[in-house]
Amino acid sequence: AQSVAQPEDQVNVAEGNPLTVKCTYSVSGNPYLFWYVQYPNRGLQFLLKYITGDNLVKGSYGFEAEFNKSQTSFHLKKPSALVSDSALYFCAVRDSNSGYALNFGKGTSLLVTP
Amino acid sequence: DTAVSQTPKYLVTQMGNDKSIKCEQNLGHDTMYWYKQDSKKFLKIMFSYNNKELIINETVPNRFSPKSPDKAHLNLHINSLELGDSAVYFCASSQVKGPTDTQYFGPGTRLTVL
Repeated sequence: AQSVAQPEDQVNVAEGNPLTVKCTYSVSGNPYLFWYVQYPNRGLQFLLKYITGDNLVKGSYGFEAEFNKSQTSFHLKKPSALVSDSALYFCAVRDSNSGYALNFGKGTSLLVTP
Repeated sequence: DTAVSQTPKYLVTQMGNDKSIKCEQNLGHDTMYWYKQDSKKFLKIMFSYNNKELIINETVPNRFSPKSPDKAHLNLHINSLELGDSAVYFCASSQVKGPTDTQYFGPGTRLTVL
């Protein structure tokens, strides 16, 4: 089955510093990888996805993700964190066995402090 | 206009009752999904559905059933509610059933079973 892992439950970063939220994947075939963000008591918002091509994917709200095939990773990054980036971040992979539904990682809580 | 909407936003009910959650998307998408987010924030697919095929996660009890009156709607019916059904339920849609399409999520329905 296609799966992703998020090794960190929480990431703390000071406002203005760069942030990284880690994700590794395990897939057979081509990986189709996604990042979503969930603000408190809200639904999931799409940030970006990797399908093929350029290993650096740019997304919404200044986020980007780096796809690394040799390390089977798809880390989410942002050059300068904002307090408003504090939220729960999910990495996900499409699973052909479930009608191409998303298999999510456990989520990483990002806390950006002023 | 909200792309994917769900009603109600909150649902509090007694054990043993039958309830429904409605989902509507105005994106013209062909495929819709239901996900469950538990108290630990884990997200898991329950169903994926388009007008040709319903795929059910084998772990979902048969008390749960999706019903689609038309392409824009996928409602979730739950019979004989149990305490363990308490969770946030998210509806999502994507243009086609395929690995690269982005899924867009509704705001969620928080179900509390007493």
